[in-house]
Amino acid sequence: DAGITQSPRHKVTETGTPVTLRCHQTENHRYMYWYRQDPGHGLRLIHYSYGVKDTDKGEVSDGYSVSRSKTEDFLLTLESATSSQTSVYFCAISSLAGGNNEQFFGPGTRLTVL
Amino acid sequence: AQSVTQLDSHVSVSEGTPVLLRCNYSSSYSPSLFWYVQHPNKGLQLLLKYTSAATLVKGINGFEAEFKKSETSFHLTKPSAHMSDAAEYFCVVRSSAGANSKLTFGKGITLSVRP
Repeated sequence: DAGITQSPRHKVTETGTPVTLRCHQTENHRYMYWYRQDPGHGLRLIHYSYGVKDTDKGEVSDGYSVSRSKTEDFLLTLESATSSQTSVYFCAISSLAGGNNEQFFGPGTRLTVL
Repeated sequence: AQSVTQLDSHVSVSEGTPVLLRCNYSSSYSPSLFWYVQHPNKGLQLLLKYTSAATLVKGINGFEAEFKKSETSFHLTKPSAHMSDAAEYFCVVRSSAGANSKLTFGKGITLSVRP
């Protein structure tokens, strides 16, 4: 998976609790992304980062925040988890953005909010 | 604006028969197009991408796709299916070259391969 790890791989939590997912890369790529995957929706972008401390919102950012204090780590936080945030979360990285530059994906984190 | 339509949510073929997974796109600009594959409980892996150098693009594992601008299509094909091809396939479009341009994913096609 192109030097990308995600932790935890599985998590079950309760509504209203905070949750942080971690993406770690060893490729020194500039761009990092968080997606969620839901049946019938494909992958949808939550947030992305174009450098240390530089982040921006994607199409489904409500209820999520991110931080990137180091090139290799990109954290996704659910401030107060809701059942609608039950999903599989994927991190992706790319060295360049735009055009035909592909993104490389991590193995995913399966989050269940009860 | 950009979008991707994968009309078939599920395709089933017999091993050794051809595979056709359809993708149509909408883009305001000259698009970049990708096909990704996701095996069960795995991340996404790039199969191939359209780079505008050639309309027929060859990818890994014997897959190829043809870019047809007049039909706004980028269908994925393989001459002979293997059991290991059973997976979910995503067509993806990016409609600009800018650094902040985003990928838009189709909803995915589940490919089943019968023995």
